[in-house]
Amino acid sequence: EIVMTQSPATLSVSPGERATLSCRASQSLSSNLAWYQHKPGQAPRLLFYDAGARATGVPARFSASGSGTEFTLTISSLQSEDSAVYYCQQYNSGPRTFGPGTKVEIK
Amino acid sequence: EVQLLESGGTLVQPGGSLRLSCAASGFSFIDYAMSWVRQAPGKGLEWVSVISGRAGSVYYADSVKGRFTISRDNSMATVYLHMHSLRAEDTAMYFCAKMNSQAAASHYYESWGQGTLVAVSS
Repeated sequence: EIVMTQSPATLSVSPGERATLSCRASQSLSSNLAWYQHKPGQAPRLLFYDAGARATGVPARFSASGSGTEFTLTISSLQSEDSAVYYCQQYNSGPRTFGPGTKVEIK
Repeated sequence: EVQLLESGGTLVQPGGSLRLSCAASGFSFIDYAMSWVRQAPGKGLEWVSVISGRAGSVYYADSVKGRFTISRDNSMATVYLHMHSLRAEDTAMYFCAKMNSQAAASHYYESWGQGTLVAVSS
């Protein structure tokens, strides 16, 4: 089973600032990685798939990149509504596994 | 608009059984695999099970294999999770999710429901 890790566990960012989230895999994923946003009490939301392909309706301030074992999700100018937990998920092989999440807080 | 509405979660005793349902609308149900993903209190997301569009293939996480059964009724656009021999560690919010293709080996979760809460306790 591929193990996913994310850092930092919590990120506190001021509105308008950049937030950079990292995701690492225990083995190469090629580009087989997705990112999700999850707000309390709501359904999780797909943000990106194939490491950098934006899902429908995702604002342009969100971007994602990476390949192999290292991936990044960037929020270029943080808005208050971006407060959430962000998860990465691999689909390269075996059971689909998620990272532990990064909680983004508004400072 | 894709909508997924889970139901059936409740408090159940250890060793008990439960059936979760997820009613889908807004897309051609038979054309997509469906999954269940859970989140234990204070924990991250854990994939539980997946079923292909025509129900020909199913897969389970090792943690639930032999105890949980996934099924679907394409005429009703509903997917089910039959849970048996429940344990305290099965306590979680259970989310239904639409996959990105018909195959059980689909890659990612395009749409999610808001979840239904299962609590296993005496």
